[in-house]
Amino acid sequence: DTAVSQTPKYLVTQMGNDKSIKCEQNLGHDTMYWYKQDSKKFLKIMFSYNNKELIINETVPNRFSPKSPDKAHLNLHINSLELGDSAVYFCASSQDFGAGRNEQYFGPGTRLTVT
Amino acid sequence: GNSVTQMEGPVTLSEEAFLTINCTYTATGYPSLFWYVQYPGEGLQLLLKATKADDKGSNKGFEATYRKETTSFHLEKGSVQVSDSAVYFCALGQKLVFGQGTRLTINP
Repeated sequence: DTAVSQTPKYLVTQMGNDKSIKCEQNLGHDTMYWYKQDSKKFLKIMFSYNNKELIINETVPNRFSPKSPDKAHLNLHINSLELGDSAVYFCASSQDFGAGRNEQYFGPGTRLTVT
Repeated sequence: GNSVTQMEGPVTLSEEAFLTINCTYTATGYPSLFWYVQYPGEGLQLLLKATKADDKGSNKGFEATYRKETTSFHLEKGSVQVSDSAVYFCALGQKLVFGQGTRLTINP
């Protein structure tokens, strides 16, 4: 059973389009995250939700909007895609951020290419 | 703010060589420290962790000790295998601030 899954695995789209990436975890965790990994492998946190509430919102363009319909899902919607958005996006989850139980489990990643 | 600095890669070793990947950090307080590994085409996996000073994390033959005096968490393995080839990330804290990653290649 896949613990943290993401769809799609690959996403190729043109500048200006709007796209979504979906993430689901079946670990029963309370906290979920989105990370961006650039072409040099540098990883940076973008957002985190704990029990469907936004708890981390780093300096990310407001074209990026996370949505958490329930504890097991955290989706990422991106409006008006730009070339610089090309990256690998990773979803992760942890048991409970607030209680310090933040050992994170990562999904396989979504490689977004904007042309 | 918190930050993590890893040794520059790439690192290339022969099988059975001794491995050290350096990691130093700056942080407020004493956050948990982690090493994650990313195999080609995959997501990150937690390799080991340490939650307080002098703790030693270990897994799959890898070890790292939380050194408060030197603000370091160096990753070591006594005898590497070809299957250890991957990118290794040092990270700290609840928000997981990552180092830049070190690509390791082990040749047979």
